Amino acid sequence: DAGVTQSPTHLIKTRGQQVTLRCSPKSGHDTVSWYQQALGQGPQFIFQYYEEEERQRGNFPDRFSGHQFPNYSSELNVNALLLGDSALYLCASSRRWGPQFFGPGTRLTVL
Amino acid sequence: GQQVMQIPQYQHVQEGEDFTTYCNSSTTLSNIQWYKQRPGGHPVFLIQLVKSGEVKKQKRLTFQFGEAKKNSSLHITATQTTDVGTYFCAGPGGSQGNLIFGKGTKLSVKP
Repeated sequence: DAGVTQSPTHLIKTRGQQVTLRCSPKSGHDTVSWYQQALGQGPQFIFQYYEEEERQRGNFPDRFSGHQFPNYSSELNVNALLLGDSALYLCASSRRWGPQFFGPGTRLTVL
Repeated sequence: GQQVMQIPQYQHVQEGEDFTTYCNSSTTLSNIQWYKQRPGGHPVFLIQLVKSGEVKKQKRLTFQFGEAKKNSSLHITATQTTDVGTYFCAGPGGSQGNLIFGKGTKLSVKP
């Protein structure tokens, strides 16, 4: 049984560009949450998707958007990248109210 | 807003010594979750505590949830080098859809 998978592993972009990160949840999970983790910090909640809708959102600007597909996989899109967007982006999947299981993350570097 | 605080931020121990990290929430939690993140890795779910005063053990790890459900602790007995990493506690946000993470306690173990 595969766990949570994310792609790509690493990504380098320049300021102003746009990026799309992908996540496939653990088998049996229907809820996907996205987190941003800066170096030396705990993960910060971006948003959560359930039944293809954004159910909850953290304190992130509209440049951060997402999508969930019928097979429960999800994408995170970030527009107009800033240097401060450089971080590890983590996807976590769960059953609706269950514990969250994290993927390996995508390391985004913005130059 | 809701905050989750962890102390200490860093802990350096000699192999075989015990280790404890403490977690405090600004609000009462319905549950608390603990995660371990190895250097260069992603958070790995360890356990979820739900009941007031609950104590759970996993081999050398003992997890405790306070009576008021606002604090928790993780105690490791006789640390080993494999225990190295950052330990995070996390509690549900307002509607339980997201997790609010502490900043973590980084444990280093000297052989």
